[in-house]
Amino acid sequence: SQTIHQWPATLVQPVGSPLSLECTVEGTSNPNLYWYRQAAGRGLQLLFYSVGIGQISSEVPQNLSASRPQDRQFILSSKKLLLSDSGFYLCAIGHSGNTIYFGEGSWLTVV
Amino acid sequence: AQSVSQHNHHVILSEAASLELGCNYSYGGTVNLFWYVQYPGQHLQLLLKYFSGDPLVKGIKGFEAEFIKSKFSFNLRKPSVQWSDTAEYFCAVNTGGFKTIFGAGTRLFVKA
Repeated sequence: SQTIHQWPATLVQPVGSPLSLECTVEGTSNPNLYWYRQAAGRGLQLLFYSVGIGQISSEVPQNLSASRPQDRQFILSSKKLLLSDSGFYLCAIGHSGNTIYFGEGSWLTVV
Repeated sequence: AQSVSQHNHHVILSEAASLELGCNYSYGGTVNLFWYVQYPGQHLQLLLKYFSGDPLVKGIKGFEAEFIKSKFSFNLRKPSVQWSDTAEYFCAVNTGGFKTIFGAGTRLFVKA
C-alpha cells in the first residue's frame, strides 16, 4: 500500500529565512501530488499540484514555490518566509476519481 | 470558480443524537464528492466518496452521505453519534480535473 512521508513534522523558522518541506511517497508510481495548507476555520487551501516530474501548477500566488525533482518526491520551498506563512502543510497523493490521501503534515511556525 | 460551503463550523451533540452536516458546492457539471475526517492528533482520512450510481453512499464507522444533484448538496449523516466521533469533518469536491476543493470544515464535539 502507498505511504506518504513528510518532514520535518515541526519547524520553527525566523521571518526572512528559507524553507524546505519534503514529501516522498512509496508504493505507487506516477502519482498526482499536492501541497495543501490547513488553517483554522478556512479548511484546506490547495497550494500546488503536480502531475509529473518538473510539472508544477500553482493555485495561489504567494511566497511559496514547489518542485518535483523525482517521480515520488515533492518539495515545498520559500526563499524568505513571512509571518503569514505559518500553518499546517499537508502533502497529498491523488488517485482514481481524484481521491486524495494525505500525509501526516508539517507544522510551520514563523517567528 | 468552484467552491464548497459547509454551513456549520461547530456542532455539539450528546451521544446517541443524530448527526447531519451540510455541504453545498457550486458547479453545474459532473462532480466527484468526498467527506474526510480528522480525529484529534491524527491525519486526514477518507470517510466516504461518491463518483456515480446510487446517490446514497455508505462509508466507514456508520456514516453515510446523500448526493442531491438538484440541490448541489452532499450532506453527511449518522443516526447515532458516539464520543469517538469527535473530530473535524471536511467536505470536498472534484470537478473532473486534478484539483480537489475543500470546505472550511465542521468541528463536531460529542458529549459523553
